[in-house]
Amino acid sequence: KAGVTQTPRYLIKTRGQQVTLSCSPISGHRSVSWYQQTPGQGLQFLFEYFSETQRNKGNFPGRFSGRQFSNSRSEMNVSTLELGDSALYLCASSLGTSATETQYFGPGTRLLVL
Amino acid sequence: GENVEQHPSTLSVQEGDSAVIKCTYSDSASNYFPWYKQELGKRPQLIIDIRSNVGEKKDQRIAVTLNKTAKHFSLHITETQPEDSAVYFCAVETDSGNTPLVFGKGTRLSVIA
Repeated sequence: KAGVTQTPRYLIKTRGQQVTLSCSPISGHRSVSWYQQTPGQGLQFLFEYFSETQRNKGNFPGRFSGRQFSNSRSEMNVSTLELGDSALYLCASSLGTSATETQYFGPGTRLLVL
Repeated sequence: GENVEQHPSTLSVQEGDSAVIKCTYSDSASNYFPWYKQELGKRPQLIIDIRSNVGEKKDQRIAVTLNKTAKHFSLHITETQPEDSAVYFCAVETDSGNTPLVFGKGTRLSVIA
């Protein structure tokens, strides 16, 4: 089976712009979780989608949003970008909800905000 | 909410020695404890996990131990090799699947040949 894929892999934006990142889970996986990874902060949970419904949301401002499509592919959007949004954004998919199934991570999208 | 502390933040060992990384958590209802390895520039990958009904689990040179009373769990790597050099993250799941995994801040392990 193909692994989790994320597009684009690298992105450079300027402050105030918005960005959309995409995640395609492993075939058959219905859960997609998103994380922000910055040096020294580890992986911070953004949100989780299961069967097109948001199950959980982390402690991030409303500028961060996401959605999941009927084919389980997920997108996350960040509006009004700030310098501090520069990070590696990882998505992870699992068969069921994240708590009961192993999460498989994608390669990430590295976002640089100038 | 759940709070996960991971120590040490960096660890250097000589090739062949053992490495131990420890995580503590706050919620006694936590019941799933995975460990992820992230090599430089690569995605995190699950290396071992343990559930609360088990005290220890081993997979070749890697083992995880869980002390539910003390609310801590540890990753043990024996006979370390240079390819073990990476950042290791522990994670904790609570509330029977209704909350997401909470990750520790990571440990950068360097194995010196």
